[in-house]
Amino acid sequence: EADIYQTPRYLVIGTGKKITLECSQTMGHDKMYWYQQDPGMELHLIHYSYGVNSTEKGDLSSESTVSRIRTEHFPLTLESARPSHTSQYLCASRVGTAAFFGQGTRLTVV
Amino acid sequence: AQTVTQSQPEMSVQEAETVTLSCTYDTSESDYYLFWYKQPPSRQMILVIRQEAYKQQNATENRFSVNFQKAAKSFSLKISDSQLGDAAMYFCASYSGGGADGLTFGKGTHLIIQP
Repeated sequence: EADIYQTPRYLVIGTGKKITLECSQTMGHDKMYWYQQDPGMELHLIHYSYGVNSTEKGDLSSESTVSRIRTEHFPLTLESARPSHTSQYLCASRVGTAAFFGQGTRLTVV
Repeated sequence: AQTVTQSQPEMSVQEAETVTLSCTYDTSESDYYLFWYKQPPSRQMILVIRQEAYKQQNATENRFSVNFQKAAKSFSLKISDSQLGDAAMYFCASYSGGGADGLTFGKGTHLIIQP
């Protein structure tokens, strides 16, 4: 398995709270991604980065934001969590055409 | 824009038998790559097999092989000698590098292995 880590694995949080989902990789990959996986298991790209100080929005509009201050770290932040944000979030990094995924964070907003 | 379609939400196969998962795609790019990913319950998504569009030969990885029909834009995955550990969600994906970066995924096929 690839060296890409997401924390926490599971998070239950109240509406209005600020949360940060962590994603780290030790492979030195420049390209990193966040996907949102809905209950039907479909995956949607919400953010990506080409390297330090680079962030772009993906195909699916999201109220979350990301930052890339270090190559190995690509956190996702929700300033005010809502029940509609309940989902699984997958982080990935890529070299060439090969993408490596973390185990995901399952977020529940109550 | 790319689209990937998996028309089988769920498939079931007896252990040791062969199963084929279907995938069709659409892209305007001439250079692209196709993938099958496996997502076991509560575990990481891992790459099963990859196909470069410019290669005519079908990719094979041990018990996993693909049937790549470029003209028909079809990319099916065949799993031979199915094992209990093959039970997972399988996602077909494409990548061309154009537009928003990243993989475009199908909706997935849930594969059940019957002992």
